[in-house]
Amino acid sequence: AQKVTQAQTEISVVEKEDVTLDCVYETRDTTYYLFWYKQPPSGELVFLIRRNSFDEQNEISGRYSWNFQKSTSSFNFTITASQVVDSAVYFCALSDPHSNYGGSQGNLIFGKGTKLSVKP
Amino acid sequence: KAGVTQTPRYLIKTRGQQVTLSCSPISGHRSVSWYQQTPGQGLQFLFEYFSETQRNKGNFPGRFSGRQFSNSRSEMNVSTLELGDSALYLCASSLAGMAGNTGELFFGEGSRLTVL
Repeated sequence: AQKVTQAQTEISVVEKEDVTLDCVYETRDTTYYLFWYKQPPSGELVFLIRRNSFDEQNEISGRYSWNFQKSTSSFNFTITASQVVDSAVYFCALSDPHSNYGGSQGNLIFGKGTKLSVKP
Repeated sequence: KAGVTQTPRYLIKTRGQQVTLSCSPISGHRSVSWYQQTPGQGLQFLFEYFSETQRNKGNFPGRFSGRQFSNSRSEMNVSTLELGDSALYLCASSLAGMAGNTGELFFGEGSRLTVL
């Protein structure tokens, strides 16, 4: 069965520190997508990145970077020089390919999330 | 461009009652998904609708149901409420099944249901 594990429940850092959020997933499928979402206190989840299982290139977007390693089934997320505005709950998610329909990604399997607190 | 709108934002019900939650997707999106978020279980997929048809369903009892209208707006209903149904219900829309789909889900701010 598909599963996403975010072992870090809460992380607290001081502004400008780098922080890495871990994500380990389980799936028997060879084709799947991995996601990261951010949930600020307002509640809505904000999309950060999608990575497909055939693309293991690391990605950098500003202060954010992602390290995808199929060999260890991990998709870790690093925030460089953290800021107070980065404080939120971060979720890693895996698409359920058995629910795909015409490219649909409506069914995601989420990890329990990591609450990041960045203190000034 | 307006985002995903969910109503009501907050509501309180008692056990045994039923509740209907509404979701207006981003204009042009035809796929709408619903998720339940609780502290214990986290985010769990409820169901997904596309062009008025339910095409995926999560592992929830039959008390949870939904529908989608021709304008892509969606509603979900929970009947015979239980204390454990207290949760944040999130709706997401996407371009799934359509040209230009990036796989991104656009979430609303949710409807927070408290069952007493």
